[in-house]
Amino acid sequence: NAGVTQTPKFQVLKTGQSMTLQCAQDMNHEYMSWYRQDPGMGLRLIHYSVGAGITDQGEVPNGYNVSRSTTEDFPLRLLSAAPSQTSVYFCASSRQGPEYGYTFGSGTRLTVV
Amino acid sequence: SQQGEEDPQALSIQEGENATMNCSYKTSINNLQWYRQNSGRGLVHLILIRSNEREKHSGRLRVTLDTSKKSSSLLITASRAADTASYFCATPPRIQGAQKLVFGQGTRLTINP
Repeated sequence: NAGVTQTPKFQVLKTGQSMTLQCAQDMNHEYMSWYRQDPGMGLRLIHYSVGAGITDQGEVPNGYNVSRSTTEDFPLRLLSAAPSQTSVYFCASSRQGPEYGYTFGSGTRLTVV
Repeated sequence: SQQGEEDPQALSIQEGENATMNCSYKTSINNLQWYRQNSGRGLVHLILIRSNEREKHSGRLRVTLDTSKKSSSLLITASRAADTASYFCATPPRIQGAQKLVFGQGTRLTINP
């Protein structure tokens, strides 16, 4: 049972490049979310999904896209990377919803130069 | 604005001592959750306390909740070097359909051998 798996662990992008951060969970959780963690800002919700085919925006969605074609996978796409997107990104999943607690992945540290 | 704010921001104690961290929040809650984050890793769910509970225990962890003061505390007894981590409180907003947790800034706990 791997839990929540995020890839890659580290990534450096040039401004304007695009990329996809991968997130997969093997716990059959319906709820999946993407957060970014920045010093002094805590964790902020980017996008979330309450099930396959259903996604919605969080607090800081601009510059990011998501899709949820399967229960297991919830990739986060950066459309045109900007230095302001330098951050640590966490994917989290929950069986019943965040009110009942999350299982987090180990994170992707992204640097945009 | 963030819901939970931890105090102190940093805490350094000797191994074997007890560590106490506090969390204050602003609005009414259904529950409050505590998470641990080891350096370079994802967050790990430690304990959830419901709004109608005053105290909860899990191993060496003791959490209290005072809804009249909008505050919670996390006590780690008989600390170990492995307890060195950042600790976050998190609350789900009492908004219909709000699929997220609001995290505090965290307390950095260092256990000295």
